[in-house]
Amino acid sequence: DTGVSQNPRHKITKRGQNVTFRCDPISEHNRLYWYRQTLGQGPEFLTYFQNEAQLEKSRLLSDRFSAERPKGSFSTLEIQRTEQGDSAMYLCASSPLWGAGSGANVLTFGAGSRLTVL
Amino acid sequence: AQKVTQAQTEISVVEKEDVTLDCVYETRDTTYYLFWYKQPPSGELVFLIRRNSFDEQNEISGRYSWNFQKSTSSFNFTITASQVVDSAVYFCALSEAKTETSGSRLTFGEGTQLTVNP
Repeated sequence: DTGVSQNPRHKITKRGQNVTFRCDPISEHNRLYWYRQTLGQGPEFLTYFQNEAQLEKSRLLSDRFSAERPKGSFSTLEIQRTEQGDSAMYLCASSPLWGAGSGANVLTFGAGSRLTVL
Repeated sequence: AQKVTQAQTEISVVEKEDVTLDCVYETRDTTYYLFWYKQPPSGELVFLIRRNSFDEQNEISGRYSWNFQKSTSSFNFTITASQVVDSAVYFCALSEAKTETSGSRLTFGEGTQLTVNP
């Protein structure tokens, strides 16, 4: 298992453009999370999937943000009409289902996708 | 609402010194989990430890040790005989102990930048 993979690692875009990030979780993990991290801050929760169902969304996830996990495997996070305030590191994490042993609520993170909006 | 406070923004030590990273948390839940993650310059968050609220035993893993004190809502992390490779940002995080159908939303502190100088 190669861990959680995120692409692209870096994205520079102009304000108003749309961007999409992809996350490939650990294959046997049913749960997938998106977090956002700005410089000098801790990660902040955005949304969470259990298989293909999006079960929780933070109020940080404005209408310009949409996340999908169509087949319960990889996930995409799209930001429409980007703003300079969207510049951040977008982190994806995955975990096994609750009750799946000692690792149930331990999140494994990817290396992140850094977005710079000019 | 949950909150995690890491009052030390930056710590600088000389190699082989011991260093303690402080973490104070707030939650209304009686059952919860506490975590420490390490974020090296590469950016990927690395899981270090998980502790549930019912287990107040301190834990030691090699040069790492953790002191959980429920009475003061603290979960401090000590590195003994620090090494240059320990240089990273360390995050403390809190999660509710939810049901099987819920995810594990982590609330992170702002992190402590540890620099170990040779």
